[in-house]
Amino acid sequence: GAGVSQSPRYKVAKRGQDVALRCDPISGHVSLFWYQQALGQGPEFLTYFQNEAQLDKSGLPSDRFFAERPEGSVSTLKIQRTQQEDSAVYLCASSFDRGGELFFGEGSRLTVL
Amino acid sequence: QQQVKQSPQSLIVQKGGIPIINCAYENTAFDYFPWYQQFPGKGPALLIAIRPDVSEKKEGRFTISFNKSAKQFSLHIMDSQPGDSATYFCAVNSGYSTLTFGKGTMLLVSP
Repeated sequence: GAGVSQSPRYKVAKRGQDVALRCDPISGHVSLFWYQQALGQGPEFLTYFQNEAQLDKSGLPSDRFFAERPEGSVSTLKIQRTQQEDSAVYLCASSFDRGGELFFGEGSRLTVL
Repeated sequence: QQQVKQSPQSLIVQKGGIPIINCAYENTAFDYFPWYQQFPGKGPALLIAIRPDVSEKKEGRFTISFNKSAKQFSLHIMDSQPGDSATYFCAVNSGYSTLTFGKGTMLLVSP
């Protein structure tokens, strides 16, 4: 596809469940970012990959959050033992290089009950 | 500490009006100031961006005004249309640092 693709678009999890969110960036884009967007707020940085290397994970809120991009293309954000405060839209963005324009996916909306 | 402060939180204008959204920042190292537009259920999309070497940039009906000494920048939407109703985010970064977003302004343009 031409854009950043994210799945699932919607996920409802019971508190304590593990979830995995997938991001398929634009082909050829080296940089990949994950952001968390709470309702009515701006996106907040979670983590950044350059190819398969995770160069910055300073925004991950706890060790329950884990991200990977093993082959430098598709990325997965995993949240273990979900809590209600994890409810948010998780946005993935990619760019040709780190200083380039960010292209966002439509996001995965996570609701933790 | 919030790196960029955006105002107002929400804004209602009539069709044809000129909504203005403002952002203020503290870190003088920032050198890239984009505005993103987000429709409900969609991801943010780059609208227009400016570097600090110019004070104004226009793209179609959208204009960024940049005041380096005041550390402020603003988005003006000329001849606003109902289709411009969306949430607008300013953002800042420097070099290869991570883009940091404001809290957003929800704009409603009434017919």
